[in-house]
Amino acid sequence: RKEVEQDPGPFNVPEGATVAFNCTYSNSASQSFFWYRQDCRKEPKLLMSVYSSGNEDGRFTAQLNRASQYISLLIRDSKLSDSATYLCVAVTGGFKTIFGAGTRLFVKA
Amino acid sequence: DAGVIQSPRHEVTEMGQEVTLRCKPISGHDYLFWYRQTMMRGLELLIYFNNNVPIDDSGMPEDRFSAKMPNASFSTLKIQPSEPRDSAVYFCASKTSGGAGGPGELFFGEGSRLTVL
Repeated sequence: RKEVEQDPGPFNVPEGATVAFNCTYSNSASQSFFWYRQDCRKEPKLLMSVYSSGNEDGRFTAQLNRASQYISLLIRDSKLSDSATYLCVAVTGGFKTIFGAGTRLFVKA
Repeated sequence: DAGVIQSPRHEVTEMGQEVTLRCKPISGHDYLFWYRQTMMRGLELLIYFNNNVPIDDSGMPEDRFSAKMPNASFSTLKIQPSEPRDSAVYFCASKTSGGAGGPGELFFGEGSRLTVL
């Protein structure tokens, strides 16, 4: 079983739609969580951190449920420019940083 | 400021040849990571270093793979001998320990795209 699992998608949504991505992690010792974004043929870049209390950055909302070992990302009012692969990340003690395989999103006009 | 620098950006080689990938992390970053990305397996952690010391190499596929970090500004990932199944994009990334705020952002290089024929 992979340490971080995501639905690979792809998710095909129209502009303006709300889309949610889910992620689970298997290592209960994981301490920090993030979402990264990767554009086609580019390197991953940090989108946002994920906190237990939930956090929001504009149209993006991230949630963490430690009891269920579950992380989510909600994108509201999708834009064409949101089309990318979204990678869920869990960091354990010692800063071992594990990525999920990613969920592909296509936003269509 | 310069980001993480990787070389070569592209490499095409024949099975059995030695491949060396290079990485220069961001100055002041004390963690360095090597990842491999394929469509089938996603982004896999191969090995990571802290202050030039390997911390976890459990992701290194087999003895054909080796990584070194002789100093704070340089790391190599070597594959010898290479095989077609090693074809992938290899990313190097670095970050600081982040202090009391926890782990810092991971900064990636642009990757080295390896094709083994």
